Amino acid sequence: EVQLVETGGGLIQPGGSLRLSCAASGFTVSSNYMSWVRQAPGKGLEWVSVIYSGGSTYYADSVKGRFTISRDNSKNTLYLQMNSLRAEDTAVYYCARDPHMDVWGKGTTVTVSS
Amino acid sequence: DIVMTQTPLSSPVTLGQPASISCRSSQSLVHSDGNTYLSWLQQRPGQPPRLLIYKISNRFSGVPDRFSGSGAGTDFTLKISRVEAEDVGVYYCTQATQFPQTFGQGTKVEIK
Repeated sequence: EVQLVETGGGLIQPGGSLRLSCAASGFTVSSNYMSWVRQAPGKGLEWVSVIYSGGSTYYADSVKGRFTISRDNSKNTLYLQMNSLRAEDTAVYYCARDPHMDVWGKGTTVTVSS
Repeated sequence: DIVMTQTPLSSPVTLGQPASISCRSSQSLVHSDGNTYLSWLQQRPGQPPRLLIYKISNRFSGVPDRFSGSGAGTDFTLKISRVEAEDVGVYYCTQATQFPQTFGQGTKVEIK
């Protein structure tokens, strides 16, 4: 079964760091474009970052320089390293398979608050 | 960035009646490869988003045929031929033609 499972969310103070993981099954992460998308409480969807099958990475302006997307091919897992977290980063973070976002995880909640 | 504008933002519908959501992009979504990367997502309450339609009109696996997509260039439409109770949720259009990927604001479909 094709599946994505995100973990790593939690409550973190402003300025702190978190690493989100997205474990894939049923397909190979490194053979696909993979994105992180977030959804602030009560709000719509916001694209955060993508990693292409060739390894190129791109970021939304709102997270550039603070977030890093990566993958571990041996673990078939996607990551999002989030540094210098701000209150406005509070959201449910989803990983999704691109380019059509045909597979989504259930999401992991990140709350940035003192 | 390409701005995606959805109308209406809320759509109360009677069960069994049709519903239609419009999505307009600020620029053409035709990619240099000839494809138009316009998709529709459904998000039921408390659930992650789910792909319904990709490349304007291609229904994703397992999606009921009461859902259909159409359009071209900058104007796109999602239609539900007969709304069922399980269709309640928020619908988003999204474009992946031009970086960065962007989403519409979402349209809430609810039962009257």
